[in-house]
Amino acid sequence: ILNVEQSPQSLHVQEGDSTNFTCSFPSSNFYALHWYRWETAKSPEALFVMTLNGDEKKKGRISATLNTKEGYSYLYIKGSQPEDSATYLCASPGKAGTALIFGKGTTLSVSS
Amino acid sequence: DTAVSQTPKYLVTQMGNDKSIKCEQNLGHDTMYWYKQDSKKFLKIMFSYNNKELIINETVPNRFSPKSPDKAHLNLHINSLELGDSAVYFCASSPRTSSNEQFFGPGTRLTVL
Repeated sequence: ILNVEQSPQSLHVQEGDSTNFTCSFPSSNFYALHWYRWETAKSPEALFVMTLNGDEKKKGRISATLNTKEGYSYLYIKGSQPEDSATYLCASPGKAGTALIFGKGTTLSVSS
Repeated sequence: DTAVSQTPKYLVTQMGNDKSIKCEQNLGHDTMYWYKQDSKKFLKIMFSYNNKELIINETVPNRFSPKSPDKAHLNLHINSLELGDSAVYFCASSPRTSSNEQFFGPGTRLTVL
């Protein structure tokens, strides 16, 4: 069974700080790596889907990198804002085109 | 326009009852899913379904069953509800692409008394 791990479990930063989280996954039989943002009382929303080793994607102040050979992905947030406070999930499908196996998430809290 | 919708948003019921949660997507996606968010906020896959194949997570009790009247709907039926079934249930859908990006519904909070 695919195991997706995330660290840290939670993180508290000050407004303006830059931060990053880690997602690790088995490097064998890799299909894709997803990052989702999940705000309290809402549903998860996709941030990035990455498939190629060395992929780097960016959306505003948030970016992600992927290393499929060593089995990890980093999510970076530059200049954190209070509205970035959320749980960030990474996930990977067990097989191509199948349901996602989610990590337990990193909960980010940004104070002003 | 809501892409993935679920009803009801909240469901409070007695132990032993049978209940259903409905899910509809208007994105034209081929595959739909049900996830359960446990008490630690961990999202775990219960079922994935397209018009050809149902994949069941083997840890899901057989009291839970998905029913798909058509490609746009995947309903979740739960028989003989137990206290431990209390959770938030999320429906999702995805297109048939290699990225498999998933679009989630707003969730249904089920409370079993």
